[in-house]
Amino acid sequence: QVQLVQSGAEVKKPGASVKVSCKASGYTFSTYGISWVRQAPGQGLEWMGWISTYNGNTKYAQNLQGRVTMTTDTSTTTAYMELRTLTSDDTAVYYCVRPYRGGTYLPFDYWGQGTLVTVSS
Amino acid sequence: QSVLTQPPSVSAAPGQRVTISCSGSSSNIGKNYVSWYQQLPGTAPKLLIYDNDKRPSGIPDRFSGSKSGTSATLDITGLQTGDEADYYCGTWDSSLSGGVFGGGTKLTVL
Repeated sequence: QVQLVQSGAEVKKPGASVKVSCKASGYTFSTYGISWVRQAPGQGLEWMGWISTYNGNTKYAQNLQGRVTMTTDTSTTTAYMELRTLTSDDTAVYYCVRPYRGGTYLPFDYWGQGTLVTVSS
Repeated sequence: QSVLTQPPSVSAAPGQRVTISCSGSSSNIGKNYVSWYQQLPGTAPKLLIYDNDKRPSGIPDRFSGSKSGTSATLDITGLQTGDEADYYCGTWDSSLSGGVFGGGTKLTVL
C-alpha cells in the first residue's frame, strides 16, 4: 500500500532553517511527483511547491521562491523540503502529498502524516 | 486571503443535505479540474472528489461535486455526525502556475 512517512516535529528559532523528509513506499517512486502543502494553526491549506521525482524539476509557490528548496533521493525514495530564514509565520504542519495520477500536479490522493514545525525564540 | 472563496461555515441537521460553494476565476476553476478534500479534526486531509465530479474508490455516493464556469460545488446528502469536518476545494491556477485552495468550510451537523 502507498505510504508517505514524514520526519518528526521540529522546533526552530527565527532565522534558522528546517529540512523535512518524506519516505515513500508502495509504488514506483519516479512515476509520481511530490508536492508539499502546509497548514498554519487553525488556518487553511497552502500549496508550497512540487518536485518531479523523475528528473528533479521543481515548481515553487511565488511567495516562497528563494526560501524553499525541494529535493529527492531516488535511491531511498525520499523527498525533502528545506525552508530557510524561518519566521513565526512559518509555524505550521507540513505535509508531503502525492497526486492521484502520475504526470500530474493535482489532485492530492496520498498525504503524509504531517510534520509540525514550530518557530519560536 | 485564499485564491478560491468558500463560505467559512455551513450547518444542517442529520439526514439533510448541504451544499458548499467554491468560487474562483478564469485562470483557476475556469480552466482546470477542481478537487475537494475532507479534513477531520487532527488528521490529514482526504481526497473526496477529483476532476470536478469523480469519487475515488471508497468514497460514498452521498458526496458529489459539480463545476460551472468559475465556480464549483460540493453536495453532501444524508448528513451524518461523522461528516463534521473542514472541507477544502483545490485546483491549479494557470496564471500563478501553482496549486491553490479555498479557505475551507467548517461543516457542523446539528
